[in-house]
Amino acid sequence: DVQLLESGGGLVQPGGSLRLSCAASGFTFGSFAMSWVRQAPGKGLEWVSTISGSGENIYYADSVKGRFTISRDNSKNTVYLQLNTLRADDTAMYYCTKRPYYDTSGRLFDPWGQGTLVTVSS
Amino acid sequence: EIVMTQSPATLSVSPGERATLSCRASQSISSNLAWYQHKPGQAPRLLIYGASTRATGVTATFSGSGSGTEFTLTISSLQSEDFAVYYCQHYNNWPLTFGGGTKVEIK
Repeated sequence: DVQLLESGGGLVQPGGSLRLSCAASGFTFGSFAMSWVRQAPGKGLEWVSTISGSGENIYYADSVKGRFTISRDNSKNTVYLQLNTLRADDTAMYYCTKRPYYDTSGRLFDPWGQGTLVTVSS
Repeated sequence: EIVMTQSPATLSVSPGERATLSCRASQSISSNLAWYQHKPGQAPRLLIYGASTRATGVTATFSGSGSGTEFTLTISSLQSEDFAVYYCQHYNNWPLTFGGGTKVEIK
C-alpha cells in the first residue's frame, strides 16, 4: 500500500521559515513525480509545487515562487518543501501527493497524505 | 493561468437523487480535467481524469463528461458517503489550478 506521511508543520511567525517533509513508502519513489497541495482554512485546494522523479524538473505556483523550495532525496524516499518568508496567507493544511502510476504528465494527484498544518501568526 | 470556475457552490440533494456538478475553464483544456472528492478530516481522493475516465476503485456512480471548456461530474444516486466537497482541476499546462469546489450536502 502507498503511504505518504507528512511532518514539519507548526506555528511560525510571519517572515519565518519551516521545512515540511513527506516520507513515502509502498512504491518505487524515484519513478514518480511528487507534489504539494494546500488548503487554507475554509478555502479550496491550491496546487503549490511539483518535482519530477529525478528532481530535474520543478514547478511552482506564482503565489510561492521565490519563497518556497521543493526538493527530494530518493535515497530516503522523502520529498521536502522549504517554506521561507512565510505570510499569514500561507496558513493552510499542506498535503503531499504523488502522481498515479497511469499518469505520464505528472500533473494528477493520487493518493494524498493526511496533511500537516502550517499556521503563520504572531 | 487558467481559471477554473465551479457551479453551484453548494448543491442540496436528497439521498438517492442525482447530482450534476459543473466546471468551466477560462480557455480550452481539451480533456485534461480531473475531479476530486474531499471529505472533512480526510485526504482528497481522485475520482475522474481525462474528463471521463474513472480512477482506480471509483464506482460507476460517478461519471464525467465534457471537453474544451465545459465539464460535468454526475453522481447518479447519492449515498450518504458521497456527501462531500468536489473539486475540478485542469492539468493542461503549468500552473495547475483547481476550481473553488462544490459542496454536496444532504437536503
